[in-house]
Amino acid sequence: DARVTQTPRHKVTEMGQEVTMRCQPILGHNTVFWYRQTMMQGLELLAYFRNRAPLDDSGMPKDRFSAEMPDATLATLKIQPSEPRDSAVYFCASARDGLDRQLFFGEGSRLTVL
Amino acid sequence: GENVEQHPSTLSVQEGDSAVIKCTYSDSASNYFPWYKQELGKGPQLIIDIRSNVGEKKDQRIAVTLNKTAKHFSLHITETQPEDSAVYFCAASKGRRDDKIIFGKGTRLHILP
Repeated sequence: DARVTQTPRHKVTEMGQEVTMRCQPILGHNTVFWYRQTMMQGLELLAYFRNRAPLDDSGMPKDRFSAEMPDATLATLKIQPSEPRDSAVYFCASARDGLDRQLFFGEGSRLTVL
Repeated sequence: GENVEQHPSTLSVQEGDSAVIKCTYSDSASNYFPWYKQELGKGPQLIIDIRSNVGEKKDQRIAVTLNKTAKHFSLHITETQPEDSAVYFCAASKGRRDDKIIFGKGTRLHILP
């Protein structure tokens, strides 16, 4: 059945290293969201795209985070350089265009920065 | 921008009792309010939603109510069961195709045997 696929599922890295997380949205979904989940902040919206164009990335620290959609089947979230405070679970979600969109979430990428 | 507050952060109820989770939102232009359930190790999944032209919606044991004047909405789970244990998120958006969906911080619901 159709689902959002995220890789890697788990990543442990050292401070200062580059981290890239990837997301394959459900085929036919043209909106992609990146959320970060922490105990303190819940689900924070980092960025989202519609038809591969970035609509809002105001939730991202611009100096170290970047999000792109090189094509309709791939969304990436990159952190460079990573810091311990970036440790969290990063979720990608996709949705079909239209009103009252239902988000379909991937299983998340758990990032630990030492 | 929109801000969604959710309470409580943790809730424990006896199996069979009811659970209520409450949310408030700040942007009066928001008109779509979904609820998501997140089980351990999984991504959140939509369980019910409501639009602002409706005051209440029910689906078996879950119901959502909306008070647009007060800008708050609630999730009600009746006859709770062990499988209801999860984290629940409320969210708000304007419902337009290009609008962001903002989530509350979540409520961890424990169903006690």
